[in-house]
Amino acid sequence: DAGVIQSPRHEVTEMGQEVTLRCKPISGHDYLFWYRQTMMRGLELLIYFNNNVPIDDSGMPEDRFSAKMPNASFSTLKIQPSEPRDSAVYFCASGPWADTQYFGPGTRLTVL
Amino acid sequence: QKEVEQNSGPLSVPEGAIASLNCTYSDRGSQSFFWYRQYSGKSPELIMFIYSNGDKEDGRFTAQLNKASQYVSLLIRDSQPSDSATYLCAVNVGDNDMRFGAGTRLTVKP
Repeated sequence: DAGVIQSPRHEVTEMGQEVTLRCKPISGHDYLFWYRQTMMRGLELLIYFNNNVPIDDSGMPEDRFSAKMPNASFSTLKIQPSEPRDSAVYFCASGPWADTQYFGPGTRLTVL
Repeated sequence: QKEVEQNSGPLSVPEGAIASLNCTYSDRGSQSFFWYRQYSGKSPELIMFIYSNGDKEDGRFTAQLNKASQYVSLLIRDSQPSDSATYLCAVNVGDNDMRFGAGTRLTVKP
């Protein structure tokens, strides 16, 4: 298996623009997680899905953030409008159960 | 109080030595504990998990858990330069809510 696939790997955008990050989980994994990592705050769980259903989005920082999982092989994390403080590395992870998570390579987002 | 605390390091050990990484957690009800390794510029990689008090060994890695003391550690025996990375402690605090520590940066010097 190719592992968790994320795109784009790097994104540079201007404040106020919409940003969409994409994730393809490992086939057969029922759980999908979105994380954000910064030097200041470390690795933070934003939201996770079980069988395509959002279970816990308490980590989503603001209404500007939204996530969807329309099917078992695809998820998006959208930021609209983006702000400089959203600059971070965003990881998607998937797992056969919640405790075992395989991380994707991440998307490095820079908001100018 | 942070839920998962780690010494940020850097921790430097000579090649061949034992590296000891420590983590404490605040939620006494936590049941599962994980160690991830993250190389610079890369994504976290799960290397060990432990659910029960005591030791769990996997090759050169040993995870130790003491729930009474709310303490989990990772020992790396015969450390190699390739072990140089940041090690993240993660705790499932319930309802599949995984909390990560800030990580300890380990450097193994040849």
